[in-house]
Amino acid sequence: GENVEQHPSTLSVQEGDSAVIKCTYSDSASNYFPWYKQELGKGPQLIIDIRSNVGEKKDQRIAVTLNKTAKHFSLHITETQPEDSAVYFCAASKGDSNYQLIWGAGTKLIIKP
Amino acid sequence: DTAVSQTPKYLVTQMGNDKSIKCEQNLGHDTMYWYKQDSKKFLKIMFSYNNKELIINETVPNRFSPKSPDKAHLNLHINSLELGDSAVYFCASTMPNTGELFFGEGSRLTVL
Repeated sequence: GENVEQHPSTLSVQEGDSAVIKCTYSDSASNYFPWYKQELGKGPQLIIDIRSNVGEKKDQRIAVTLNKTAKHFSLHITETQPEDSAVYFCAASKGDSNYQLIWGAGTKLIIKP
Repeated sequence: DTAVSQTPKYLVTQMGNDKSIKCEQNLGHDTMYWYKQDSKKFLKIMFSYNNKELIINETVPNRFSPKSPDKAHLNLHINSLELGDSAVYFCASTMPNTGELFFGEGSRLTVL
């Protein structure tokens, strides 16, 4: 069946450095790729998303890139800050469904002061 | 103003009991979901309702029964609780054309 693989499972970076989280999806019909951030004790929150007709999208310190041929998409966080510490999830739409996402297993990002 | 609110936030109960978790959203969204997050943080969709109609029902035991009295509410009732039901349950809502999911803060269920 369809799946999304996410790496690494844990990422520790020095404050101020960049962090990159990578995902691979299997469903070639997927056309929507969101990234969610989950802080401790809270629900996930959308931080950025990209659709299949776009290769890159940026919002201040965060950016997402999509390679449809390789079925890869990545989250890039620059100039990391302590408040970036959280669990990050990637997801891919199930085909072109508006209702269902296939989720990655999550990456715990730790920002060291 | 809370967008997606769930109650209770914490629930501790014995095996075999029946419990319910309630969810309400004030965003005017048409679609609501229940997700289960296990101890390894993996998010798994359980159910989705669109305008009170069930549209997604993943392979969830029959002991789990969702109910949507109106499009702003989606409740989850669990019968005969088992140890493996211990998890954090998240309610979420969305307007399908935007794709963005709005999650509640979660309900942590512990079955003893």
